[in-house]
Amino acid sequence: NAGVMQNPRHLVRRRGQEARLRCSPMKGHSHVYWYRQLPEEGLKFMVYLQKENIIDESGMPKERFSAEFPKEGPSILRIQQVVRGDSAAYFCASSPTTSGRAEQFFGPGTRLTVL
Amino acid sequence: DQQVKQNSPSLSVQEGRISILNCDYTNSMFDYFLWYKKYPAEGPTFLISISSIKDKNEDGRFTVFLNKSAKHLSLHIVPSQPGDSAVYFCAASDRQGGSEKLVFGKGMKLTVNP
Repeated sequence: NAGVMQNPRHLVRRRGQEARLRCSPMKGHSHVYWYRQLPEEGLKFMVYLQKENIIDESGMPKERFSAEFPKEGPSILRIQQVVRGDSAAYFCASSPTTSGRAEQFFGPGTRLTVL
Repeated sequence: DQQVKQNSPSLSVQEGRISILNCDYTNSMFDYFLWYKKYPAEGPTFLISISSIKDKNEDGRFTVFLNKSAKHLSLHIVPSQPGDSAVYFCAASDRQGGSEKLVFGKGMKLTVNP
């Protein structure tokens, strides 16, 4: 019974390149969330998606960042033209269709380093 | 403006004693509060949650207390074990406007000494 899977676990990019982070939710979960953790900080909400729909993207930077959760395949967080300030740990979480207790289950994270 | 605050960055306790982790919040619309435990280079692991309509929830060695009037919650771990050493995050569920995001505190590092 696999948990939330994220890949790659580590990603190194040079400034100006694109970063693609993937997340496969737990089996049976249809809600996906992306969070970012900067050093010495808590996790900050970025975006909440259901299959083929973005429900809340209030935490996403206005430019260069996008997310999708297609009908088939993993959720993708895409960062275009990365800058040093994008270096962080990016966590994906998932929850069932209706999580009465608000629990979200987290993946191991992708650590992005921008050189 | 931080809506969820963990004001103590670290706590050190002896094995077998009680660990008390505190958390304050500002938004009275939060409907659930959760505690997560995190080891380095891993994702957060869910520990325990409490509904805003309750004042206590217990699960084994972990108990969460909620004081709505003070907008304060705490996690009690008793007895503490060395394996409990980790960073603990307090989080609150914000489901306004159809969203289901969690708002996290900055975390507190717990060290349990043998």
